[in-house]
Amino acid sequence: ETGVTQTPRHLVMGMTNKKSLKCEQHLGHNAMYWYKQSAKKPLELMFVYNFKEQTENNSVPSRFSPECPNSSHLFLHLHTLQPEDSALYLCASSEAGGRDGYTFGSGTRLTVV
Amino acid sequence: QKEVEQNSGPLSVPEGAIASLNCTYSDRGSQSFFWYRQYSGKSPELIMSIYSNGDKEDGRFTAQLNKASQYVSLLIRDSQPSDSATYLCAGTYNTDKLIFGTGTRLQVFP
Repeated sequence: ETGVTQTPRHLVMGMTNKKSLKCEQHLGHNAMYWYKQSAKKPLELMFVYNFKEQTENNSVPSRFSPECPNSSHLFLHLHTLQPEDSALYLCASSEAGGRDGYTFGSGTRLTVV
Repeated sequence: QKEVEQNSGPLSVPEGAIASLNCTYSDRGSQSFFWYRQYSGKSPELIMSIYSNGDKEDGRFTAQLNKASQYVSLLIRDSQPSDSATYLCAGTYNTDKLIFGTGTRLQVFP
């Protein structure tokens, strides 16, 4: 496996379900990110982790809970989501500082019913 | 509010023409700028980065940065139908976080 891998690719969940999104990077990067992409809106930065430590929580509702056990893995735990949370969730990684830009995973298309 | 603004398009150009994509940003502290290409249903792919004023060329792509005007552009020469995609402009703020524009949809017709 190379690059940034996200699973699952598609997820349909009810508002009372609990699910998790997984991201793994094989690039030796030290920073990982979660972004939300909704139609006709810019990519929204949700969380930033540098060297496993969370350095940014961009006013994200508590129904989204990130976890970064090591520099290569990032999770997004979901519970009691709302239909408006349906979107493409993208994981990205970079060298610390992000100077060379981010590498994105293929994303998880989430639908909340 | 830190913002990156782009015209959503679509920008339609004939095959072989030059496509010109533009972006403005609000944070004068932004240092690094990036252009990503995103095909429908796919994730963004980094195609160009630029850090200093002037032009940077890579194959058919040229990125231009004017920090005084807070303006970034991407030129695609000899446009091909395979270039049809949404192009996202992004700039850094607080050193390591990227803010993205909404993207410009480019259509290259044969």
